[in-house]
Amino acid sequence: AQSVTQLGSHVSVSEGALVLLRCNYSSSVPPYLFWYVQYPNQGLQLLLKYTTGATLVKGINGFEAEFKKSETSFHLTKPSAHMSDAAEYFCAVSSFSGGYNKLIFGAGTRLAVHP
Amino acid sequence: NAGVMQNPRHLVRRRGQEARLRCSPMKGHSHVYWYRQLPEEGLKFMVYLQKENIIDESGMPKERFSAEFPKEGPSILRIQQVVRGDSAAYFCASSPRDSPTYNEQFFGPGTRLTVL
Repeated sequence: AQSVTQLGSHVSVSEGALVLLRCNYSSSVPPYLFWYVQYPNQGLQLLLKYTTGATLVKGINGFEAEFKKSETSFHLTKPSAHMSDAAEYFCAVSSFSGGYNKLIFGAGTRLAVHP
Repeated sequence: NAGVMQNPRHLVRRRGQEARLRCSPMKGHSHVYWYRQLPEEGLKFMVYLQKENIIDESGMPKERFSAEFPKEGPSILRIQQVVRGDSAAYFCASSPRDSPTYNEQFFGPGTRLTVL
């Protein structure tokens, strides 16, 4: 069975500071990993994904994440936070088994950015 | 190319009524997933459908919930005799038929169901 743990349900940073959102996963098969962002009252938007290949993945809006198999982690980072980054972030894992892709989400981390 | 569309965006029902949630996938997409997001929680998988077939409904409650994706028209998530615990945001996602193995899902804006 697959699972995702996001450490810290709320993270607060100053504008311009480093953003680090933590995600650890559990999977018995090679995982596909995703980060999604959700703005208030909106759907989920894909930030970035890891499938195979390069373990450092770059996404939209200056975010990136590094897949570390030995640590079963896929932490999301951004060097300098903007006010517009305030949102909820979800890490998800899946395996392409049975010919389809069912996403297992973490509980989410709400990011607050203050001036 | 329009994205995944869901309607209504907000739905209010009284206990015991029926709720019908609609999802139109992106053009060319024939795979539909439904997820539920309870307050202060992440999304939980409910059901995966292809045209006219339910492939995986392992996340669906055994009673009162049903889903369909007919040959023509949107996918429908139907909740009969709603209870207050059904209040949640329901998201639909779609993916193309001939997708790569990483099979990215595109999410709609969600339907927020409130049961009074």
